[in-house]
Amino acid sequence: DAGVTQSPTHLIKTRGQQVTLRCSPKSGHDTVSWYQQALGQGPQFIFQYYEEEERQRGNFPDRFSGHQFPNYSSELNVNALLLGDSALYLCASSGGRATSGVSYNEQFFGPGTRLTVL
Amino acid sequence: ELKVEQNPLFLSMQEGKNYTIYCNYSTTSDRLYWYRQDPGKSLESLFVLLSNGAVKQEGRLMASLDTKARLSTLHITAAVHDLSATYFCAVDIFTGNQFYFGTGTSLTVIP
Repeated sequence: DAGVTQSPTHLIKTRGQQVTLRCSPKSGHDTVSWYQQALGQGPQFIFQYYEEEERQRGNFPDRFSGHQFPNYSSELNVNALLLGDSALYLCASSGGRATSGVSYNEQFFGPGTRLTVL
Repeated sequence: ELKVEQNPLFLSMQEGKNYTIYCNYSTTSDRLYWYRQDPGKSLESLFVLLSNGAVKQEGRLMASLDTKARLSTLHITAAVHDLSATYFCAVDIFTGNQFYFGTGTSLTVIP
């Protein structure tokens, strides 16, 4: 069973350019979340997609947009790149689970895409 | 805005010793997760804690949750070098819709 996969692994862009990152969720998962992790910090939630719609969004500007496809895979697009966008971008997938009557959505993370903006 | 704080931020400990990492969060939640991250790698799920008083153990690691105190702990018993990594706690307040991560604790176990 393949876990969460992301592409590309590394990416170098210059300021002002646009970038698209891709994610395929773990088999059986229908929800994809994207996180930005700057060096030395914890992941910051960007947004989450479910049923091809953005369900929740963190505190990120509109330059960050996304998409989810019918097969549950997802893309993260960042426009007008800034130096501060350099980070590890993590995709996480989840599917509803329940134990002892408590529902939860454990998130499983992909290997990440390391984006460097010059 | 929800804040999730961990302490210590950096921890250097000798093999064989015990220590506890603390995770405090600022709003009501009964779902807390612990992850491990090795340098340059992604996050690996360690524990899922779903109720007040929950305790989970795996090998030399034990995690607990006190929802009333808004506190989770990750206890390390008889540390070994392989446990060197950064540990994150994450709080879920919308049933998995949005995880808030702590600042991380960088653990180095010295032989």
